[in-house]
Amino acid sequence: RKEVEQDPGPFNVPEGATVAFNCTYSNSASQSFFWYRQDCRKEPKLLMSVYSSGNEDGRFTAQLNRASQYISLLIRDSKLSDSATYLCVVKRSGNNRKLIWGLGTSLAVNP
Amino acid sequence: GAGVSQSPRYKVAKRGQDVALRCDPISGHVSLFWYQQALGQGPEFLTYFQNEAQLDKSGLPSDRFFAERPEGSVSTLKIQRTQQEDSAVYLCASSLAAGEGLDGYTFGSGTRLTVV
Repeated sequence: RKEVEQDPGPFNVPEGATVAFNCTYSNSASQSFFWYRQDCRKEPKLLMSVYSSGNEDGRFTAQLNRASQYISLLIRDSKLSDSATYLCVVKRSGNNRKLIWGLGTSLAVNP
Repeated sequence: GAGVSQSPRYKVAKRGQDVALRCDPISGHVSLFWYQQALGQGPEFLTYFQNEAQLDKSGLPSDRFFAERPEGSVSTLKIQRTQQEDSAVYLCASSLAAGEGLDGYTFGSGTRLTVV
């Protein structure tokens, strides 16, 4: 079982739809959480950090449930340009600062 | 520089050839990471530097892989006697912070290595 798991999708949604991605992590020592976006043949780019209280950035809302070891990303009013792979990322505490990545969830927003 | 710069952008190597991949992080960034991303997979951690010190190399898949950052800025990932399974995109990321924090990392565009 991978340490960070995501539904790979693909999610195919029409423009304007609301779509939610879920991610679970198995290491309770995980300290920090992120969502990255990766376009085809491009490098990952930080979309948003995920805070315990939940946080919102425009059409994007991220939530963390430490008790259930669960992270979510909600995209409202989806745009064609939102089509990409969304990667759930976890950082462990302690000296080991490496990021642990999910496989990503593929989103296609259709006109 | 303004971003993380990696070179070459693409590399085709014959099996058994040695390759060197370069990463030029954002100026002043303390932390530098190398990741390997195979097709359809998420990035997998290879190694981590804090300034010139290699603090974690647990992700290097074999002793054919070697990384260095001698002056705490530019880093080189070297792969000796390349094998077909080494074909992947090699991503470099840097971060300003050395300690713990909620900062994300800035990635370079990667080097796509194809071993034939």
